[in-house]
Amino acid sequence: DTGVSQNPRHKITKRGQNVTFRCDPISEHNRLYWYRQTLGQGPEFLTYFQNEAQLEKSRLLSDRFSAERPKGSFSTLEIQRTEQGDSAMYLCASSYDSYEQYFGPGTRLTVT
Amino acid sequence: ELKVEQNPLFLSMQEGKNYTIYCNYSTTSDRLYWYRQDPGKSLESLFVLLSNGAVKQEGRLMASLDTKARLSTLHITAAVHDLSATYFCAVASGTYKYIFGTGTRLKVLA
Repeated sequence: DTGVSQNPRHKITKRGQNVTFRCDPISEHNRLYWYRQTLGQGPEFLTYFQNEAQLEKSRLLSDRFSAERPKGSFSTLEIQRTEQGDSAMYLCASSYDSYEQYFGPGTRLTVT
Repeated sequence: ELKVEQNPLFLSMQEGKNYTIYCNYSTTSDRLYWYRQDPGKSLESLFVLLSNGAVKQEGRLMASLDTKARLSTLHITAAVHDLSATYFCAVASGTYKYIFGTGTRLKVLA
């Protein structure tokens, strides 16, 4: 297994556009997390899936953000009507019924 | 709500020296993690600490957890340049959510 993968690695978009990111977790992992990290800060929890069920979502997450994990495999994170404040690194992590999370390389979003 | 604080935020140290990074958290938790992040890269898991008094060591790094004091330490022994990175602690908040500290940016000088 090659680990957690994320696509695209970089995304530049204009304000107001919609963007979608994909995360492919380690194949046997049933737990999947999304985080956002801005420069000089630690990752900020966005949402969590156990299999296909979204069990927790940060209160900081606006309605413009939505995430899915169909069939409990890959996951997508969509941001609608992007704003400049959405510019950040979006990290995906997965784990299997254990407490250790394995992080992907991240998708760096720049909103111009 | 759980708050996680790390100190120092920046650490510049000479090779061969020892130092400790501290991670304090505000409410009870039974799981604490340490990660390393190199510039422009993702996070690498270093240690998972699951019980009071847990101590784990890997190479020049040793992590410990005191759940009563709500404190974890990451001790660096005889630092080398390759340890230069940002180190994060993360604390479990409930079953699924993890709160990260702001990180300690370590620079080891030759």
